[in-house]
Amino acid sequence: AQSVSQHNHHVILSEAASLELGCNYSYGGTVNLFWYVQYPGQHLQLLLKYFSGDPLVKGIKGFEAEFIKSKFSFNLRKPSVQWSDTAEYFCAPSARGGADGLTFGKGTHLIIQP
Amino acid sequence: ETGVTQSPTHLIKTRGQQVTLRCSSQSGHNTVSWYQQALGQGPQFIFQYYREEENGRGNFPPRFSGLQFPNYSSELNVNALELDDSALYLCASSTQRGLSYNEQFFGPGTRLTVL
Repeated sequence: AQSVSQHNHHVILSEAASLELGCNYSYGGTVNLFWYVQYPGQHLQLLLKYFSGDPLVKGIKGFEAEFIKSKFSFNLRKPSVQWSDTAEYFCAPSARGGADGLTFGKGTHLIIQP
Repeated sequence: ETGVTQSPTHLIKTRGQQVTLRCSSQSGHNTVSWYQQALGQGPQFIFQYYREEENGRGNFPPRFSGLQFPNYSSELNVNALELDDSALYLCASSTQRGLSYNEQFFGPGTRLTVL
């Protein structure tokens, strides 16, 4: 069974600050890695994904994440946050090719103060 | 392109009752997954349907069951409702197309309250 840990449950930043949200997963096989975002009142949306290749992946709205295989980590970053980035962020690994669905972390509630 | 839709939006039931939630997958998608999201938690995988058969299941009891229809829409049925079943139920659709298999697109959810 796989598990995922998101280290920061509540983060409050000012606009233009840099952001890094930690995500570590536990799984012995090959995984696909995802970050999903849930803006207030909206449904879950895919922020970015990693399947293979370049471990630094870029997503929508200026977000990026780096896959470090040796550390089982997939941290989310953004150099300069905006008020509109206020949302809930979920890291979600999934076994490659399996039918076990996504394993979501508990989420990080990010609040950006103007 | 139509996204994932779910009905109803909200539902209130009493303990012991049965409930059916519905999901229409995104156009071109043939796989549907269901998740339960309790307040303040991340979604938890319930099960997945592909070609009208359940082909993956999370740690949920048998009173959680589902169906997938030829048009790829799906139902989630929960029998003998318990108070802890109160949650947001999310449907997600995807395609089994190489490495994009696990990329899932989520609907807005059905908020179930069990009294």
